[in-house]
Amino acid sequence: TQLLEQSPQFLSIQEGENLTVYCNSSSVFSSLQWYRQEPGEGPVLLVTVVTGGEVKKLKRLTFQFGDARKDSSLHITAAQPGDTGLYLCAGGNTGNQFYFGTGTSLTVIP
Amino acid sequence: DTAVSQTPKYLVTQMGNDKSIKCEQNLGHDTMYWYKQDSKKFLKIMFSYNNKELIINETVPNRFSPKSPDKAHLNLHINSLELGDSAVYFCASSPVRTGASGYTFGSGTRLTVV
Repeated sequence: TQLLEQSPQFLSIQEGENLTVYCNSSSVFSSLQWYRQEPGEGPVLLVTVVTGGEVKKLKRLTFQFGDARKDSSLHITAAQPGDTGLYLCAGGNTGNQFYFGTGTSLTVIP
Repeated sequence: DTAVSQTPKYLVTQMGNDKSIKCEQNLGHDTMYWYKQDSKKFLKIMFSYNNKELIINETVPNRFSPKSPDKAHLNLHINSLELGDSAVYFCASSPVRTGASGYTFGSGTRLTVV
């Protein structure tokens, strides 16, 4: 099992604030995925990053893959209540699966 | 149409019972999975099937037995349920066996063993 540590574990912020969530590992991954999970639902894929240093934007969400492909970050600008959920990173290598991170639970207060 | 559907949504049962969870996907994906999410929200893979062939079998008690009658269905049968089996179980599918294209998850089955 390849461990991906996410930080912070819990985050509660006011609407309009910015935040960054981190996903770190000692392993190198060929690609990394980010998911958001809302209460009572399964995780939903947000983005996949595959190249070291790659930056992808999805509206107010900015995802970055570390140069060494061992870590990633998710930055949310002007957070909204609809951003509330559990954010999960998942790293893959040449095997048959992706390993999920420990998760960051985000609450955006109106 | 729900892409990955699993039933039941909730399952409350007594210790020692046997229960099954069913999963179906209509995405035409080749690979299906069962994941377990514990109380700390950690998502851990249990099994994976690619075109009805078992390709991932993590360290899971042999009381858990997956069955894939065809590539659109993957069921999970659990024998002699224990308190520690209480968790949310997710079915997922992926177009490729590596998961590189991402996973599509069902909405989960919350299993409570009392």
